[in-house]
Amino acid sequence: SAVISQKPSRDICQRGTSLTIQCQVDSQVTMMFWYRQQPGQSLTLIATANQGSEATYESGFVIDKFPISRPNLTFSTLTVSNMSPEDSSIYLCSGRVDTQYFGPGTRLTVL
Amino acid sequence: GQQVMQIPQYQHVQEGEDFTTYCNSSTTLSNIQWYKQRPGGHPVFLIQLVKSGEVKKQKRLTFQFGEAKKNSSLHITATQTTDVGTYFCAGPTGANNLFFGTGTRLTVIP
Repeated sequence: SAVISQKPSRDICQRGTSLTIQCQVDSQVTMMFWYRQQPGQSLTLIATANQGSEATYESGFVIDKFPISRPNLTFSTLTVSNMSPEDSSIYLCSGRVDTQYFGPGTRLTVL
Repeated sequence: GQQVMQIPQYQHVQEGEDFTTYCNSSTTLSNIQWYKQRPGGHPVFLIQLVKSGEVKKQKRLTFQFGEAKKNSSLHITATQTTDVGTYFCAGPTGANNLFFGTGTRLTVIP
């Protein structure tokens, strides 16, 4: 199993600023992912965080807007850049060992 | 692109009634997974089905994978208030990540 923590748990940000979300796993995971979830909606995959190399982004998400780092097997960051109100959402980190585990999420509000 | 639809979108039941959610994929899946997300919480893995026609049970929950491996169902017998939440099915993509279904939100009325 894996326990995943995220920081911050929530934040309120001004338009045009950037926020970096940290994800820490208590054990090594083979794969790490970042998802976005609008209230009452399903999960949308942003990207797969690859250790030591550039993340693999899904259609509609680009590195300039959502730069991701994964320096080792237990840690990753997601930055939401140049934020607008449309970026208000819950951002979830996920790691896969035998099955997929999720962090508690970061609730972002952009004013 | 890949689509995974779930019906119903919402379901309200009286405590003690049964509940079923159905998951339909536009493509054949190598496996299907089910997750539960409590209100305000994060998705938690419930089970994975791999074989065509597979049926698995967890206490009051019964999971089924269709013969064509394109659909699945989750049935809860005699719902309890602790069953409240959104149930998602998810299938793997060719890129080795998970594609989540639209979800079914279950409300249990005491």
